[in-house]
Amino acid sequence: SQQGEEDPQALSIQEGENATMNCSYKTSINNLQWYRQNSGRGLVHLILIRSNEREKHSGRLRVTLDTSKKSSSLLITASRAADTASYFCATDAISYFGPNAGGTSYGKLTFGQGTILTVHP
Amino acid sequence: DAGVTQSPTHLIKTRGQHVTLRCSPISGHKSVSWYQQVLGQGPQFIFQYYEKEERGRGNFPDRFSARQFPNYSSELNVNALLLGDSALYLCASSPAPLRGANVLTFGAGSRLTVL
Repeated sequence: SQQGEEDPQALSIQEGENATMNCSYKTSINNLQWYRQNSGRGLVHLILIRSNEREKHSGRLRVTLDTSKKSSSLLITASRAADTASYFCATDAISYFGPNAGGTSYGKLTFGQGTILTVHP
Repeated sequence: DAGVTQSPTHLIKTRGQHVTLRCSPISGHKSVSWYQQVLGQGPQFIFQYYEKEERGRGNFPDRFSARQFPNYSSELNVNALLLGDSALYLCASSPAPLRGANVLTFGAGSRLTVL
């Protein structure tokens, strides 16, 4: 089952505009990550924000995290046609059981449904 | 430096057959995870292996199995294929698990079509 809901499901904008995608999740997390996928190929990691962080920047990307609302947003500024892709949020949940209780889940990420971003030249 | 490599890239099987998918992680990465991505959805976690031991299993039937070899490469096996197993199967590797910061590097995937 999917952990998160992403909103919107699809977004179409012009080059130069900003694109904002939102993600909600259900459980307590160690961190939240955003990945990008081009045309059904492999996913590429974009940015990671830890549960004790509220905002993080990387180039044209800005990610926010609100753990009280269990939500995150990804902002891509000054979009380019090359940004056209599917964007997924993924949560690394806290493990409460087993030998790694209280820590990371050994790389088990739970992905949202994704947002399809189309940037028109 | 080679990324995560998966083989085969595409394959077509019929219902009831068996399939083996292979993955070679990035050199130095000891953790391998498998994900299934059905068209139009996000990836779903199947298995995670670290140091040749299964460390996590998703909500998939026993028809799905995997293993990790001493060189850290991995195989995903699916028996008695069903039409619903048609998907892109993604392998991802990461260094030793880090508390609170597991970033995955994905391969390009193996696209399985079951007829």
